[in-house]
Amino acid sequence: GENVEQHPSTLSVQEGDSAVIKCTYSDSASNYFPWYKQELGKRPQLIIDIRSNVGEKKDQRIAVTLNKTAKHFSLHITETQPEDSAVYFCAASILGTGNQFYFGTGTSLTVIP
Amino acid sequence: DTEVTQTPKHLVMGMTNKKSLKCEQHMGHRAMYWYKQKAKKPPELMFVYSYEKLSINESVPSRFSPECPNSSLLNLHLHALQPEDSALYLCASSLQSESYEQYFGPGTRLTVT
Repeated sequence: GENVEQHPSTLSVQEGDSAVIKCTYSDSASNYFPWYKQELGKRPQLIIDIRSNVGEKKDQRIAVTLNKTAKHFSLHITETQPEDSAVYFCAASILGTGNQFYFGTGTSLTVIP
Repeated sequence: DTEVTQTPKHLVMGMTNKKSLKCEQHMGHRAMYWYKQKAKKPPELMFVYSYEKLSINESVPSRFSPECPNSSLLNLHLHALQPEDSALYLCASSLQSESYEQYFGPGTRLTVT
């Protein structure tokens, strides 16, 4: 089955700096890669996603890049703010198999004011 | 209505109790999911319902019994749970099981004593 690895497990950045979180996946058939943000005690919220036919997607301060050859994808947050502090999960999924998400182990991001 | 709701928010139950968790969405989504999440870990898929039929059961113990009475409702019946079953139980939905985006409810924090 699919195996998703996520690094780093914890990340601290100064406010205004950029943060990068990386995930690798094992199954080349995976074709959908969402990123979820989960604040303490809250639900996971979809913040950005990318499909396998696209190499990069951007939404304001957040961007995701996908390298299908290397089987890795990354989340980039620019101009970080304290409210970006949360746990971020990447996931990989294969269309047509019941939409089962394989989650990474999570990255706890702390933005220091 | 653009969100998934779950009740109760918190539940404390003894090992001999029977209780139920409820999930509801009115977005017209036809796929609904139950996840279990332990602290600082990613969500673990338990069950997937597609068009009100159980399509995925991730080898979950029989003390957890899902039910999908209609396309808007998803229940999780609990009986004879163990302390290690204490966790955050998340419901999610997506337009179809082959659709991409999954939207999570706020979760039920379950404590088994």
